[in-house]
Amino acid sequence: AQKVTQAQTEISVVEKEDVTLDCVYETRDTTYYLFWYKQPPSGELVFLIRRNSFDEQNEISGRYSWNFQKSTSSFNFTITASQVVDSAVYFCALSVSGNTGKLIFGQGTTLQVKP
Amino acid sequence: DVKVTQSSRYLVKRTGEKVFLECVQDMDHENMFWYRQDPGLGLRLIYFSYDVKMKEKGDIPEGYSVSREKKERFSLILESASTNQTSMYLCASSLWGGVPEAFFGQGTRLTVV
Repeated sequence: AQKVTQAQTEISVVEKEDVTLDCVYETRDTTYYLFWYKQPPSGELVFLIRRNSFDEQNEISGRYSWNFQKSTSSFNFTITASQVVDSAVYFCALSVSGNTGKLIFGQGTTLQVKP
Repeated sequence: DVKVTQSSRYLVKRTGEKVFLECVQDMDHENMFWYRQDPGLGLRLIYFSYDVKMKEKGDIPEGYSVSREKKERFSLILESASTNQTSMYLCASSLWGGVPEAFFGQGTRLTVV
């Protein structure tokens, strides 16, 4: 069975702090994709990043960085120097179903960045 | 700009009503999905479709049906709405056989009273 766990339900930080959102996944498949999505108050899920199971390179995009570790089945997301606009619900997701593209989501982490 | 559009942002319906949630995508995607979002549960898949007139049950299909008569349109139907179907509903689409990056609509917040 496949599963994604985001153990942090809510995180509150003050602007300019760094924050890491945790994601742990379970799958027996050797080929899979991992995703992070952001859901601002407007409601639409915004795609942030995709990683396939054969690429363990960490990635940095501006203030965002992602740490993918197959050994611990984790795909953590770090926001450096957080800003109020980062306040949102963040979802980690897993896709193992190849062509159909079904996503298995974690429970989501609500991030509040206070000024 | 690629788009997935859901017909309503907010809906209020009465218990027992038949409810239609509509979703249209302009990306020529084969796959379309309906998810339900509830606090603490994340997004759960209700139904998906990988071709016109094709549909498969997701994790929580009970109380729902779907229709896909055209490639760009995927409808979610609540045959007889109940209060436990009060939720946020999100539609998504993706390419068949491509990288499974899904694009989402803005969501429909449905309240059943």
